[in-house]
Amino acid sequence: AQSVSQHNHHVILSEAASLELGCNYSYGGTVNLFWYVQYPGQHLQLLLKYFSGDPLVKGIKGFEAEFIKSKFSFNLRKPSVQWSDTAEYFCAVIRSGNTGKLIFGQGTTLQVKP
Amino acid sequence: GAVVSQHPSWVICKSGTSVKIECRSLDFQATTMFWYRQFPKQSLMLMATSNEGSKATYEQGVEKDKFLINHASLTLSTLTVTSAHPEDSSFYICSLTSGRGGNTQYFGPGTRLTVL
Repeated sequence: AQSVSQHNHHVILSEAASLELGCNYSYGGTVNLFWYVQYPGQHLQLLLKYFSGDPLVKGIKGFEAEFIKSKFSFNLRKPSVQWSDTAEYFCAVIRSGNTGKLIFGQGTTLQVKP
Repeated sequence: GAVVSQHPSWVICKSGTSVKIECRSLDFQATTMFWYRQFPKQSLMLMATSNEGSKATYEQGVEKDKFLINHASLTLSTLTVTSAHPEDSSFYICSLTSGRGGNTQYFGPGTRLTVL
């Protein structure tokens, strides 16, 4: 079935460690890609997005993601995490022509230990 | 980004009753809003697309008579869970696209529904 897959369900890191969260999708054709973050008790916030152009996208709070079309991937990275990055991270995809129909991955819980 | 509010933030109701959840766009007019459902420790599932002035478009498997959506104005969409049952207990989240950001969606804070 066509889907969005996040490989890591729960990640635990120490502060200053590097982060990479995997995201793969199985749709062919053009897609718009997103990473959202949900801090404890808060609503979903957009971290970054890719529509076209440079496949390396920089977002807020030092996050970046790289779109690799041949691998159908859009992995999220941060060189050095902070305790405040503890949150739930969601990868999401909109297929071309399906305006607004966000398909979410399962989410990854990131726990950063101080 | 757009500012989206939801009311109420949480609600507890008895089985068989109906509950209305409001989603408001506070800083611009939204012709399209979306309703999602999130179960604990799970991802968001799109339930329906709410279109101002017309009928909502429901995703496969979502009962349109169970989850009534009304988008009567450009700043308000409502989701009514009719004859609620305990299995309807969930976190309901709305979102909208600003138009300025293309397909970027901005999310409300969500409504926690508990059906006893």
